[in-house]
Amino acid sequence: NAGVTQTPKFRVLKTGQSMTLLCAQDMNHEYMYWYRQDPGMGLRLIHYSVGEGTTAKGEVPDGYNVSRLKKQNFMLGLESAAPSQTSVYFCASSYRAGNTEAFFGQGTRLTVV
Amino acid sequence: AQSVAQPEDQVNVAEGNPLTVKCTYSVSGNPYLFWYVQYPNRGLQFLLKYITGDNLVKGSYGFEAEFNKSQTSFHLKKPSALVSDSALYFCAVRDGGNTPLVFGKGTRLSVIA
Repeated sequence: NAGVTQTPKFRVLKTGQSMTLLCAQDMNHEYMYWYRQDPGMGLRLIHYSVGEGTTAKGEVPDGYNVSRLKKQNFMLGLESAAPSQTSVYFCASSYRAGNTEAFFGQGTRLTVV
Repeated sequence: AQSVAQPEDQVNVAEGNPLTVKCTYSVSGNPYLFWYVQYPNRGLQFLLKYITGDNLVKGSYGFEAEFNKSQTSFHLKKPSALVSDSALYFCAVRDGGNTPLVFGKGTRLSVIA
């Protein structure tokens, strides 16, 4: 049982380049999330999805786009990377019910130079 | 809107001593509360959760947490700390609706031998 899988694990981008972070879960979860983790800031929600074909903005959505074409996949895109987007990105998934915990991927460390 | 505060950036404790990592929350309805742990270069791992019922919740690795509704707190505790407990700990809350998890900024626990 793989759980939540993120690819890639590491990436270095130049300012202005684009990339897509991929997230896949095999637990049939309805909800999926993208967070970024920065020192002293904790985890901040970028975007999330409550089901296939739906997305919603989180706390820090600017500069990012997402898509959830299939229930098991949730993609995070950076159209024009900026140094401020240097961070560790985590994908997570959960069942719909509020009393269920979320499961996290191992993270993607992104550096924008 | 829901929010979580972890008032201590760092907690130091001697091995064998009891530990407490503090968390307070704010939600509009009934809270669902969670604790996660993050080891270096890893994703977040679920430790325990409070949904309803007994105010003392037991979780993984000997950790427990006490829910206090009047003080809106959910402090993480362990009777006897281990060096291997050294990690970053996150408190999180959902308000019971179809809302995503909101995390605190994290508390770094250092257990000294």
